[in-house]
Amino acid sequence: AQKITQTQPGMFVQEKEAVTLDCTYDTSDPSYGLFWYKQPSSGEMIFLIYQGSYDQQNATEGRYSLNFQKARKSANLVISASQLGDSAMYFCAMRDLMTTDSWGKLQFGAGTQVVVTP
Amino acid sequence: DAGVTQSPTHLIKTRGQQVTLRCSPKSGHDTVSWYQQALGQGPQFIFQYYEEEERQRGNFPDRFSGHQFPNYSSELNVNALLLGDSALYLCASSLRGRAYNEQFFGPGTRLTVL
Repeated sequence: AQKITQTQPGMFVQEKEAVTLDCTYDTSDPSYGLFWYKQPSSGEMIFLIYQGSYDQQNATEGRYSLNFQKARKSANLVISASQLGDSAMYFCAMRDLMTTDSWGKLQFGAGTQVVVTP
Repeated sequence: DAGVTQSPTHLIKTRGQQVTLRCSPKSGHDTVSWYQQALGQGPQFIFQYYEEEERQRGNFPDRFSGHQFPNYSSELNVNALLLGDSALYLCASSLRGRAYNEQFFGPGTRLTVL
């Protein structure tokens, strides 16, 4: 069974600083994908970044980068140059890629609340 | 390009009642998944629909059922509502067999059971 662990319930970060959000996972599947989503107080889940288990390079999307360490089973999200609009809940999630039937199922962590201060 | 849409936005029901939530996937997507997110927790997978059939199911009782229509839209039905069913219900869509790195979410329906 898959499991996602996010150990930081909440974090404060100053504007323009970088912040790292931790995510560790456990799976026996050889092929999987890792996602990070942002959820503002409005409730909508916003896709940020994706990393496949066989991808050789760490994923980057603008100010977001994913520090993927496969041997340690960690997929930490780094947000550079934090902005006030980055204040939100952040979720790490995993998907099994072995069968297409499983692609619609994401396993989420408990989330980390980020508050960006001026 | 319309994203994932859900209706209604908010809903208040009483224990024992039945509720139907609706979802239209992003244009070009053919797979719909439903999630339940209790307050302060991460979303929990309920089930996934493709080609009008339930393909995967999470650990939810039979009170939770769904349907997918030929136009790929979907409904989530919950019977005999319990107080614990109060949550944000999220719908997500994706394209089966191709876009393994995509799953887009709708704004959610917030259900309150009194």
